[in-house]
Parts: sequence; C-alpha cells; structure tokens
Amino acid sequence: NAGVMQNPRHLVRRRGQEARLRCSPMKGHSHVYWYRQLPEEGLKFMVYLQKENIIDESGMPKERFSAEFPKEGPSILRIQQVVRGDSAAYFCASSPTTDGGGYTFGSGTRLTVV
Amino acid sequence: QKEVEQNSGPLSVPEGAIASLNCTYSDRGSQSFFWYRQYSGKSPELIMFIYSNGDKEDGRFTAQLNKASQYVSLLIRDSQPSDSATYLCAVNSRGAQKLVFGQGTRLTINP
Repeated sequence: NAGVMQNPRHLVRRRGQEARLRCSPMKGHSHVYWYRQLPEEGLKFMVYLQKENIIDESGMPKERFSAEFPKEGPSILRIQQVVRGDSAAYFCASSPTTDGGGYTFGSGTRLTVV
Repeated sequence: QKEVEQNSGPLSVPEGAIASLNCTYSDRGSQSFFWYRQYSGKSPELIMFIYSNGDKEDGRFTAQLNKASQYVSLLIRDSQPSDSATYLCAVNSRGAQKLVFGQGTRLTINP
C-alpha cells in the first residue's frame, strides 16, 4: 500500500516561470491537503480538496496559486509566475475521512526559485 | 497571539532522560491534538494524537492534554539519539479539517 506520492521531489524554476506540483493520495483516501513550509518555519495550511471540489482554500495566496483534484489523476498545486519568496517545501497529505484524524504526509516537493 | 505556540528550542536532553515538549493553543473550540516528528529535510511523521483530557501513552511517548489550560505536552521517556528531531504540535478545530501547526521545537538528545 503505497503512501502519499509527491513529485517531483525537487523542482528548480526561474523567476516568472510556472511550477506544477503533483500529489497522489493513499489508496482509498479522498481528502487531500496542501501545506507549505518556509525555511525554519512550521507548516502552514494552504488548501483542502476532495475529488473535483475545493473545500477550504483559506490559506491560499490570492494571486498566482491554484489547486485542483480532478476526478481522475493526482491533485495539482500550480504556482504561476514564481518569485523567490515561493521557495519552500510543499507537502501534500491525505486522509480517508473527515473525522479530524491525523494526516499522512507525502515526502514533499522542495521548490527553489532562482 | 499565535494560534499554536511552542518553544522553538533548541532543547537539549541527555540520553536516557525524559524530554518534555510543550504546546499551548488559543482556540477553545479545538478538539483534536497531534504531535508530529520531523527529521531535517524530511516530511512530518505522526507520532501521537489525543482528544480527551488526561494522558495517553504509546511506548516511550506520553501525550498530555489539559483543555482548561489550553495546554498539550509530549513526554519522551528513555530518550535516544534517534529522537533528535523537530517536534511539531498541531491542533484541529471543531468542524474544520485543517490542522494549525506550531513553529516546532528542535530537540537534541546528547549521547
């Protein structure tokens, strides 16, 4: 039973390019969460999705960031026109239910903007 | 006031001793409390969760929750060098699916 799969593990983008981060939840999990961890900081919630629906995007920056979880395929976090401040580790987590239990995190994508 | 506060450390504990990690939270509606361990450059790993006041033990780990004081702690008995990591406290509010994390406490176990 594979865990939460994220790719790529490392991503380097030049300022102004687009970054696309992918997350495949654990088998049987229909709830996906994205978190961002800036250097030397804790994890910050970005967005919570279920299949084809964004449930809570209260942590998403208003511009340049978007997320989707289509009926088929992985969840995608998309960052347009990246800036140096977007450099961070982006973690995806999944859960099978909404009972407020702890998540299982993926290994993360480390984005570096140069 | 931050929603979830932890002492950032570093906390240094000799091998074999008890490590005590503390966390306070501001939302009285919080219902679920979690401790994650994160090694440098790795993803967070869930090690304990607690929902009710009191203590919950799992091996060398004990989570303690006091909702009246809005305080949750993690005790690690017989500390090992492999316990050296950053420990993240996380809180989940009623009706919300997101976790609010503290900044984390860096723990170092000295052989």
